This record gives sequence, C-alpha cells and structure tokens, in this order.
Amino acid sequence: TQLLEQSPQFLSIQEGENLTVYCNSSSVFSSLQWYRQEPGEGPVLLVTVVTGGEVKKLKRLTFQFGDARKDSSLHITAAQPGDTGLYLCAGPSSGTYKYIFGTGTRLKVLA
Amino acid sequence: DAGITQSPRHKVTETGTPVTLRCHQTENHRYMYWYRQDPGHGLRLIHYSYGVKDTDKGEVSDGYSVSRSKTEDFLLTLESATSSQTSVYFCAISDLRNNYGYTFGSGTRLTVV
Repeated sequence: TQLLEQSPQFLSIQEGENLTVYCNSSSVFSSLQWYRQEPGEGPVLLVTVVTGGEVKKLKRLTFQFGDARKDSSLHITAAQPGDTGLYLCAGPSSGTYKYIFGTGTRLKVLA
Repeated sequence: DAGITQSPRHKVTETGTPVTLRCHQTENHRYMYWYRQDPGHGLRLIHYSYGVKDTDKGEVSDGYSVSRSKTEDFLLTLESATSSQTSVYFCAISDLRNNYGYTFGSGTRLTVV
C-alpha cells in the first residue's frame, strides 16, 4: 500500500520566517502534487513535480521532488498570513489517475 | 475556472435515510472523483469515474454508490446514512490539460444525526 507521510502536522510561525514542510514515502511515485486548502473550501492545486530532482518555484514557494521520486519538500520564504492553510501532498496510485493524499501540514502564520 | 459545483453545501440528515450529493462540471472532463475528508484521515477516495457509466470503487466505498449518466454529473448516494458517514465530501475532476492534477469543488458538509 502506498502511503504519503507529511511532517510536521502543525506549524505556527511569525510573519517573515522561513519554513519547510515534507512529504515522504517508501514508494516511488511518477509525480507528486502539492495543494493548499483554506477553511470551508476544497484544496487548490499549487504545483506538480514530475522529474526526480526537479525544483519548481511559485513566487515565495519552492517545491522539490527527491532524486529517487519518493519524497518532496515545500519551502516558503518570508511567510505571510495569507500562506495560512492546510498543505497537502498527493501522488497517483501506481498506474492509475487515482491520487493518494497525505494527511497534511496545517500552517498558521501570525502577523 | 474549471466550473465544478457541488450541491448541497450543507446537509443534516437522520440515520437510516438515503442521501444523494451532486457534482456538476461544465468543461467535459473525463475523470471525476468523490473523496471524503475527516480529521486524522485526510482525503480518502470513495468512488471515481472515467466516463459515462464507467465507475469504480475507491478505498472507502462501503455504504456508498455512484452514478454517472451524463458527462457533467456525478452523483454520490449514501444508501442508508450512518453517523460514521458524517464528513466533508469533495468532488474533483482531472484531465490531461492540467497534468491530471485535481480541481476540487467547494465541498458538502454532511451531518448524520
């Protein structure tokens, strides 16, 4: 069974600080995706990483896919209150378009 | 905007009653999914569809059925609601245009009393 474990589960930081959250598995994934979810809404896709070692940037967010395609990280530079939310990683179950989700990292950025 | 809407947004129902949740999309996406989200469990797949009348089970399908008679509508039915089915239900769509990444609806909060 493929599992995605995210850490930390909760993170509370001050505005302006940097942070990294992690998504790990013992299984190889063909791709991984990151989503952000705000209260009362569905998750919103931030990025898809496909190639081992790939780095993608989205403004102050930097996403990296591990060389072995078993893990990924999300780094936020100079966090802002608008970054507050639940961050989820997801990957396709082998050979399908069904996605497995991690349990998420709940981030709170204090002004 | 992928044009995906869920209805109702909130529902309270009694144990033992049937309940149907609706997901509607406007952009002819082939793949549609129903997930439930619960604290400590994250998002878990209930059922999915890869075309009209083509559906399959996910990891938590017991007590749920689905139907897709038109491309744009994917219905989730709780045959006889139980308290364990109190949850937030999300519909999602995906296709090649966004590398099969999901676009989610805003969710339905279902409470079974």
